[in-house]
Formats: sequence, C-alpha cells, structure tokens
Amino acid sequence: DQQVKQNSPSLSVQEGRISILNCDYTNSMFDYFLWYKKYPAEGPTFLISISSIKDKNEDGRFTVFLNKSAKHLSLHIVPSQPGDSAVYFCAASSTSGTYKYIFGTGTRLKVLA
Amino acid sequence: SQTIHQWPATLVQPVGSPLSLECTVEGTSNPNLYWYRQAAGRGLQLLFYSVGIGQISSEVPQNLSASRPQDRQFILSSKKLLLSDSGFYLCAWSVLGWTEAFFGQGTRLTVV
Repeated sequence: DQQVKQNSPSLSVQEGRISILNCDYTNSMFDYFLWYKKYPAEGPTFLISISSIKDKNEDGRFTVFLNKSAKHLSLHIVPSQPGDSAVYFCAASSTSGTYKYIFGTGTRLKVLA
Repeated sequence: SQTIHQWPATLVQPVGSPLSLECTVEGTSNPNLYWYRQAAGRGLQLLFYSVGIGQISSEVPQNLSASRPQDRQFILSSKKLLLSDSGFYLCAWSVLGWTEAFFGQGTRLTVV
C-alpha cells in the first residue's frame, strides 16, 4: 500500500520557467511533509518542509503548498535552473511519535537550457 | 556540526555471502536512525529504524537485519545475500523523527 504517491515519474521544463512537482498521501496521521532532491549515486538532500498547520512555506526559489483536505502537496521551483535537474522525493511523517518517514517514488526533473 | 558516515560506497558480493554495512553519526546524541533501500528505478523503501540503543523496528520482512550496538552506530546485516538484495542502501538520522532527516552518501550493493 503506497501511502505517499508521486504519480509523475518525470517532468521536463524549460530553464527560467516554473517546475511543479506533485505528491499525494493517503494516511491522515501524516502531519509533516518534506521534499528531498537526489542526484544519482548520492544520498538525498533536504530541500524544504511544511507542517500541516500551514498551507504554504517558501524558501528562496522553492515553495511548498499543502492542501490537507485533498491530501495533496506540491513543490514549486521558480525560476527553474539546469542545476535543479535531479530526482525529487516527497516524504511524510507524523509528529505523534511514529518516527518514520514514508517516501514517494520520486519525480525526475529535467530542466532544459 | 553533525555528520553521517556510511561505508563502503560500493560493494559487489556473491549470492549466499554475508553482508555488513555500517553507519555512524557524529555531533549529536540519541539520534533516530534509519536504513532505506532504493531499488533500481524505484523510490526509497524504509527497511529499519531505531529510536535508541538495541531498539530496532523492522518495516519489511526480508533477508536483512539491523542492529544498534552504540548510540550513534547503525549496522545493516545479512547472513546470506540474495540477488534481490541488490540496490542502493541509505542510512539516515534525525533528531525528532518527524523533522528533517539527513542521509549518508549511500552504498551501492550488487549481488552477483
């Protein structure tokens, strides 16, 4: 049972445009969400997170939006740069003490110069 | 500052051989520790997590086991590797178990 889903395995965007990566979750216990960026043969690096008490969190070019009623979150990258080309994973966790991070299957972003 | 070390970076092992991957964290105490696996073309699958010394939770029944002999050391083991154990293994740590987790550089395991 895939509790965190990233339904788009890949996305191509022109440099300078907006990249929108989507993520859906099914477990209502999740109340904290994270986005990670991963290059091949490296560990994922943390990008940005959002608590369920918020609907938006912004950090530079990266903004995460959370729609709790739809159990949906998205990562916006503006403007997209070639260096953003990587696999992006969303992850969900719970502040209630389960101590687990459940990851989606990832979306491969390619930013075209 | 906190750092996480994971080794080896790559490993080629024959079917039926044992496995031991080690992960250590520096600069923090009592971290939550995690082992994930990324199979080819797939997402990050949680294998084991630990909230303290000797406390191991297994997420997926499989041919692997984990141990935490010291506060900042996490070991992934197998007595006899299978071909299906091939993948990219990642160790991670976090402070609270729900805020950001930090990953090591990973071990590419190929079972032949």
